[in-house]
Amino acid sequence: DIQLTQSPSFLSASVGDRVTITCRASQGISSYLAWYQQKPGKAPKLLIYAASTLQSGVPSRFSGSGSGTEFTLTISSLQPEDFATYYCQQLNSYPRGVTFGPGTKVDIK
Amino acid sequence: EVQLVESGGGLVQPGGSLRLSCAASGFTFSSYWMSWVRQAPGKGLEWVANIKQDGSEKYYVDSVKGRFTISRDNAKNSLYLQMNSLRAEDTAVYYCARDLPIFGASVGFDYWGQGTLVTVSS
Repeated sequence: DIQLTQSPSFLSASVGDRVTITCRASQGISSYLAWYQQKPGKAPKLLIYAASTLQSGVPSRFSGSGSGTEFTLTISSLQPEDFATYYCQQLNSYPRGVTFGPGTKVDIK
Repeated sequence: EVQLVESGGGLVQPGGSLRLSCAASGFTFSSYWMSWVRQAPGKGLEWVANIKQDGSEKYYVDSVKGRFTISRDNAKNSLYLQMNSLRAEDTAVYYCARDLPIFGASVGFDYWGQGTLVTVSS
């Protein structure tokens, strides 16, 4: 099974900061990686798919990059509404399996 | 507007059963793979199961194989999860989610329901 790790697991940042979250896969997954944002008590929201494609309606301050085993999610200028937990997801094995990373919580400094 | 609305959650004793439903609207339900994803309290996301458009293919995470069954009724635009032999570790919010297919491959889950809480406890 493909495992995902995320770093950091917790991040404290200020409004306007540039934030980068890393997701690493235990084996190559090409570009079959998605990123989600989840706020407390809410369902996850798809931000990025295919490693770098912005989902419709998602602000352009979010961007994704990477392929193979290492991926990054970058928020170019953190906004108050961006404080949330972010998850990566691999779909290389789809439909036979899907894995989420453990999450990165972005908190207010 | 795409909507997914889960129902059927609640409190159940260990070893018991529960059937979750997800009512879909605003899109052609029969054209999409669908999934169930769960989240234990204070924990991360875990994919549980998925089902092909016509119900001919179904896949499960190892921890629920033999206990959970995913199904769908395209005439009723509904997705189901039958959960048997429930354990304390199945306690979670259960979400239904729609696949986002790009060139025939799923690249993510683009719509999610609001979730329904399942609590397994005596």
